[in-house]
Amino acid sequence: AQKVTQAQTEISVVEKEDVTLDCVYETRDTTYYLFWYKQPPSGELVFLIRRNSFDEQNEISGRYSWNFQKSTSSFNFTITASQVVDSAVYFCALSEANTGNQFYFGTGTSLTVIP
Amino acid sequence: KAGVTQTPRYLIKTRGQQVTLSCSPISGHRSVSWYQQTPGQGLQFLFEYFSETQRNKGNFPGRFSGRQFSNSRSEMNVSTLELGDSALYLCASSLLAGAYNEQFFGPGTRLTVL
Repeated sequence: AQKVTQAQTEISVVEKEDVTLDCVYETRDTTYYLFWYKQPPSGELVFLIRRNSFDEQNEISGRYSWNFQKSTSSFNFTITASQVVDSAVYFCALSEANTGNQFYFGTGTSLTVIP
Repeated sequence: KAGVTQTPRYLIKTRGQQVTLSCSPISGHRSVSWYQQTPGQGLQFLFEYFSETQRNKGNFPGRFSGRQFSNSRSEMNVSTLELGDSALYLCASSLLAGAYNEQFFGPGTRLTVL
C-alpha cells in the first residue's frame, strides 16, 4: 500500500494565486516524520520542511505554510502569492522511527506557475 | 560547505553491462542513502549506509549493491543491467542515521540502458 499519497499529479496556477498541495500519509508508527522537498528542473531535491508526529503546530515561512493534521493524516503545503520560480515538482515524504533514514515518497505534484 | 556530489552525472550503458556510481556526502555527514527515480515508479529507496554498514535495504533485486568507505563516500553498483534500470539515481546524505534527519540530495546520476 502506498504510504504517501499525493493525489494531485499536475497543477497550473496563474502568478500571484495561492495554491495548496495535498499530502496524505499512512503509518502505524507513533513516531514518524514528514518532509516536503522541491525538485526544480535541474533535478536536485531541495529540502523545505520537516515535522515530527508530536508537533501539530502549523508553520509559516515567508510565502510557504504547512498544515499538519494527524486526525486526517494529512500534511498539506500552501504557497501564497505564487511566483514563476515556484514551478517545480513537489514531493511529500514520510520516515518512520522503525526504518531510520528510509524515506517513503509520494509520487509528486508538478506545479506550473503561469506568468 | 560543498553539497552532495555524484559522479558521473550521465551514463549510457548497454544491457548486460555493470555500472558503478559514486557519491560524496556533505563533509561531516556519516549517513548515505540511495534512491532510484523513474517516471513510472517515482522515488524508491534502495539502501542506506552508516559508518560503513548497510542499515536498511529497499525492495530491489540483488543486482543492486552498495558500499560505504571510511570517509563516508559511497558507491552503488548495478550488475547485469536491464532496460528497466534506466533512471535517475539520487544519493542523499544526512548527519546521522535516524528517521528525524533531513536528507540532503545530490544532483543525481542519469543512467540510460540501451
